[in-house]
Amino acid sequence: DAGVIQSPRHEVTEMGQEVTLRCKPISGHDYLFWYRQTMMRGLELLIYFNNNVPIDDSGMPEDRFSAKMPNASFSTLKIQPSEPRDSAVYFCASSLRDTEAFFGQGTRLTVV
Amino acid sequence: GNSVTQMEGPVTLSEEAFLTINCTYTATGYPSLFWYVQYPGEGLQLLLKATKADDKGSNKGFEATYRKETTSFHLEKGSVQVSDSAVYFCALSDRKAGTALIFGKGTTLSVSS
Repeated sequence: DAGVIQSPRHEVTEMGQEVTLRCKPISGHDYLFWYRQTMMRGLELLIYFNNNVPIDDSGMPEDRFSAKMPNASFSTLKIQPSEPRDSAVYFCASSLRDTEAFFGQGTRLTVV
Repeated sequence: GNSVTQMEGPVTLSEEAFLTINCTYTATGYPSLFWYVQYPGEGLQLLLKATKADDKGSNKGFEATYRKETTSFHLEKGSVQVSDSAVYFCALSDRKAGTALIFGKGTTLSVSS
């Protein structure tokens, strides 16, 4: 398996624009997680899904953030409108039941 | 709620020195504990794990023992190498309580030759 695949690897956008981050989890995994990493706040859990259903979205910072998982092999994290303080590295991870999570390479988002 | 606290970095060591990175946790249930490593520009990789009290996780010369009595999971390595330079994250997962991975803030390790 190719592991968790995230796209794009880097994204630079202007304030106010919509940004969509994409994730393909490892085939067969039933949990999917979105994390955000910044120097100030470290790694923060934004939302996670089990069997495509959102379980906990309490980490989503604002209504500007939304996440979907239309099927077992794809998830998106959308920010609309984006702001400079959203600049961070966004990680997607997947796991099978109680096993460890496997992380993608991350998307480095810069909002100018 | 569940939380993880790990020692502040950066930790700077010479090659072949002994490494300890402290990690303590707070959990309401019976969590699994993990150490992840992040090399520059990459995602997090699992380094080792322990799923119940007194379990010892080990990998690549690193070890950590799940201590329920002290709620700790300290990472150790007897002789570090330059290639061990990275950021190390302690994490816990308590699926029975319905929680995802919760991470500490990370400890940067820098090893010089």
